[in-house]
Amino acid sequence: AQSVTQLDSQVPVFEEAPVELRCNYSSSVSVYLFWYVQYPNQGLQLLLKYLSGSTLVKGINGFEAEFNKSQTSFHLRKPSVHISDTAEYFCAVSENNNDMRFGAGTRLTVKP
Amino acid sequence: EPEVTQTPSHQVTQMGQEVILRCVPISNHLYFYWYRQILGQKVEFLVSFYNNEISEKSEIFDDQFSVERPDGSNFTLKIRSTKLEDSAMYFCASSEQGRWETQYFGPGTRLLVL
Repeated sequence: AQSVTQLDSQVPVFEEAPVELRCNYSSSVSVYLFWYVQYPNQGLQLLLKYLSGSTLVKGINGFEAEFNKSQTSFHLRKPSVHISDTAEYFCAVSENNNDMRFGAGTRLTVKP
Repeated sequence: EPEVTQTPSHQVTQMGQEVILRCVPISNHLYFYWYRQILGQKVEFLVSFYNNEISEKSEIFDDQFSVERPDGSNFTLKIRSTKLEDSAMYFCASSEQGRWETQYFGPGTRLLVL
């Protein structure tokens, strides 16, 4: 069964700095990969997803992620963060016709 | 923009009571899901539902839980005889096609079992 590891539980960063949130997965089959964001007191919102094709995926709010099959990673990046990016970020993986498993989440805190 | 809605936003109940959490998925979506998030922990898949039957369920989704689509719009999660450890945020989601399609999440129902 698939599993997801988010290596950093908290990432503090200053405004306008670049950020990378790390995600590694394990699976024996092809997977679909997702990043969701959860703002305080809100539900989950899809940032981006990888299904197939180009390994560099661009999402909303200036985020992008790169699928690296050899390293089984799907790290999320943004070249310049804003205060409004402060939120919890969840990586998720879904095998073919199987349920979606979430990582434990990374709390991104952007400081002025 | 269409969105998934959930009611109530907050629910407080006594241990042993039954609760029903309600969701209205996006109207043209065919797949429906329930997830839960215990405070401070990861989001966990509970169940998926398609064509009026459960298509996948996790080990968490035991006989205490049931789902139903009683009419053309609502999708409900029933928890019988609630336990303290059922306290969590419960999220409903829906997708147009399969599980690999974008799942749109509702704002959640915060359940507190006393």
